[in-house]
Amino acid sequence: GAVVSQHPSRVICKSGTSVKIECRSLDFQATTMFWYRQFPKKSLMLMATSNEGSKATYEQGVEKDKFLINHASLTLSTLTVTSAHPEDSSFYICSAYSGTAYYGYTFGSGTRLTVV
Amino acid sequence: DQQVKQNSPSLSVQEGRISILNCDYTNSMFDYFLWYKKYPAEGPTFLISISSIKDKNEDGRFTVFLNKSAKHLSLHIVPSQPGDSAVYFCAAGGGGADGLTFGKGTHLIIQP
Repeated sequence: GAVVSQHPSRVICKSGTSVKIECRSLDFQATTMFWYRQFPKKSLMLMATSNEGSKATYEQGVEKDKFLINHASLTLSTLTVTSAHPEDSSFYICSAYSGTAYYGYTFGSGTRLTVV
Repeated sequence: DQQVKQNSPSLSVQEGRISILNCDYTNSMFDYFLWYKKYPAEGPTFLISISSIKDKNEDGRFTVFLNKSAKHLSLHIVPSQPGDSAVYFCAAGGGGADGLTFGKGTHLIIQP
């Protein structure tokens, strides 16, 4: 079945540095990738939607200059947290839409970001 | 190894009847569980959750049941309405995992 690989699974970085998170669809082409942030024991918050080859669409309240999303190919999307602050510490998860089925949607395993 | 499994890719239910969506998990350390609903071209939205210390949580037409000994949870929707047609994801958290682990989803179709 469809598999989405997300890495790193955990990352610790210093304040002010940037961190890149990758999301790859391993056995299908993802026309659309979604990036979420999860708050402890709470719902997922959709941050942005990216379509291959075009600019990402950000949800209201999400800083596009801080959370850079690149969807350069049909199998890879990246989220870069720039100038990270401790409040950016969270669990980030991607999801890929295959476009081959009406509801084709697969989640990555997530990335725990800790900014110190 | 899939820790959260939704074995039914799709489910068809008559409007007005009860919809039962099932989810199994393997990690006994999970301590909370959530259900998400997803419409096409949208991200999943939170529906209902349950802590591992409970065996039932009810919210309107939606009830989630947790059977820890069987490592099984289910979402009951009654009565089912056309607007309930969507994909439902089961997710589990805690147990040493850093975030949520999702199932593959079940496509619920409510027929008139």
